[in-house]
Parts: sequence; structure tokens; C-alpha cells
Amino acid sequence: AQSVSQHNHHVILSEAASLELGCNYSYGGTVNLFWYVQYPGQHLQLLLKYFSGDPLVKGIKGFEAEFIKSKFSFNLRKPSVQWSDTAEYFCAVNAPNNNDMRFGAGTRLTVKP
Amino acid sequence: SAVISQKPSRDICQRGTSLTIQCQVDSQVTMMFWYRQQPGQSLTLIATANQGSEATYESGFVIDKFPISRPNLTFSTLTVSNMSPEDSSIYLCSVEDGGRWTQYFGPGTRLLVL
Repeated sequence: AQSVSQHNHHVILSEAASLELGCNYSYGGTVNLFWYVQYPGQHLQLLLKYFSGDPLVKGIKGFEAEFIKSKFSFNLRKPSVQWSDTAEYFCAVNAPNNNDMRFGAGTRLTVKP
Repeated sequence: SAVISQKPSRDICQRGTSLTIQCQVDSQVTMMFWYRQQPGQSLTLIATANQGSEATYESGFVIDKFPISRPNLTFSTLTVSNMSPEDSSIYLCSVEDGGRWTQYFGPGTRLLVL
């Protein structure tokens, strides 16, 4: 079964700093990859997803993620974070034709104004 | 994407009682899912609920403890039975986006068992 690892439990940045959150998955076949965000007091929202094609995926609010197949990674990036990006970020994976979605442990991002 | 609501949004329950959580979607969906998010942890899939068939439970979750109903394409319930403090968690429902393998989540039900 697939599994997902997020390396950073808690990341603290100042506004305008660049962000990269790590995500690695364990699965031998083709996968669909997702990043979800959970703002304080709000529900999980889809940030971006990758199914196939261009490995650099752009999502909402200036976020992007790059799928590197050889490294089994799908890291999330943002060139300049804002205070409003403070949230919990979850990486998730499922296999094509399979709705069994596995989530990473999450990374809490705190952006200091 | 579908708009999903859950009731109740939170509850405090006594040990040994049961709570039924409702999940309502504003459009017809084939697949609905129930997750648990324990404090400080990630999401764990409890079961998949398709309309007209029995729910499929993940390892570690059983129907007697977490009975699920799926009476139509826009509604599902999850019951947490014979609760203990270990069941304190956030319970979330999600729906699959029309065959595109993407799930959208409801706001969750925050449950505290005393």
C-alpha cells in the first residue's frame, strides 16, 4: 500500500521568505498526487494536484509543486509567503482508478508578519 | 467542486453513548468517504460509502463500531457507537469529484468523548 512522508512537522517563516515543503511517497506504480491546505478553523481545501503531463503543477494562491518521479517526491513551493499562508499542509497520494487516498502527517506552517 | 455540509459541527458526548454524524452534498456523487483526524495527526480513512451497497471499511475499522448509511446520492451518515475517550477526534466526510480521483472535504465534526 502507498504511504506518504512529510519531512517537516512545523515550519516557521517570515513574510516574503520562500517556502518548500517536502513530500515523498512510497508506491511502485503510477500515482495521483495532491496537496491540501487547512487554514485555522477551516476545512481542508485542495491546493493543487498532479495526474500526468507537465511535472510542474501550479495551484491556487501562488503555490506550485514539482513531481520528480525518480525521487518519488512532490514538494510544495511558494516563492514568497504571506501571513495568510499560515495553515496546515497535507500531501496525499492515490493510485489511478483507486480512491484509496493516503495522507501525510501534515506540516504546520507559521508565517510571522 | 461540490459543497459539503456536516452536522453537528461539534459535540461533547458521554462514554458509552453513540453519535450520528450527517454529511450532505449539494450535488449527486457516487463515492463518499469518511475519515478520522485525531488530534495532531493526519487523516485516516475509515470507510468508503457508495450508494446502494455496503460500505467498505479500512483495516482497523468495523461496521459494528462505525455503521454507515448511504440512502441516496447526496447524503450519508456515520455513527460512532459505544464511544470511549479514544474516539475523540474530528470526523470528516469527503466526496470524489466525478471520476477524476480528486476528493473534496466537508468542514468536519469535532467530537469530544468524556
